[in-house]
Amino acid sequence: AQSVTQPDIHITVSEGASLELRCNYSYGATPYLFWYVQSPGQGLQLLLKYFSGDTLVQGIKGFEAEFKRSQSSFNLRKPSVHWSDAAEYFCAVARNRDDKIIFGKGTRLHILP
Amino acid sequence: GAVVSQHPSRVICKSGTSVKIECRSLDFQATTMFWYRQFPKQSLMLMATSNEGSKATYEQGVEKDKFLINHASLTLSTLTVTSAHPEDSSFYICSASPRSGKGNTIYFGEGSWLTVV
Repeated sequence: AQSVTQPDIHITVSEGASLELRCNYSYGATPYLFWYVQSPGQGLQLLLKYFSGDTLVQGIKGFEAEFKRSQSSFNLRKPSVHWSDAAEYFCAVARNRDDKIIFGKGTRLHILP
Repeated sequence: GAVVSQHPSRVICKSGTSVKIECRSLDFQATTMFWYRQFPKQSLMLMATSNEGSKATYEQGVEKDKFLINHASLTLSTLTVTSAHPEDSSFYICSASPRSGKGNTIYFGEGSWLTVV
């Protein structure tokens, strides 16, 4: 069965600094990978997804992620964070486009002014 | 705008009663919908897969007699929490997979907060 590991429960960065959130997946074949963001008390917003093709994926709000098969990773990056980026970030995996999505435990991002 | 709608967005019910949450795909047909539960400060845990016209598939550890799922049409799935207890208080989110025509993605509803008092 597929699974996702987000090793960092909390990450704190200063506003304007760069960001990288780590995600490792476990799945035998090429997975479908996602990053979602959730603000407190709110629903999920899809930042980006990878299904196939170019391994560097551009998303909304200036985020990007890179799929690295050799490392089973799909890390999320942003060159310069804004205070509004403070939220919970979830990496997720699915076997195909129609299948259930399995979520990692999430990383809480804190932004220092 | 939202393509998957959940109703109600917030509900409070008394312990021992049942409460129904609806998940609707607004502009596409969905043969499959998924129900998740999220406790405060935790991740989303898949509860069950809802299949139109057939029985739901529940994840291990989820009580199918307590969390009744009905997927009677291609645009509507319902989750009924029966004999609710305070420990059922949670954020419930559904997602839907388009049958065709809307690209290769899954859409999530905005979630429903359930508080059992």
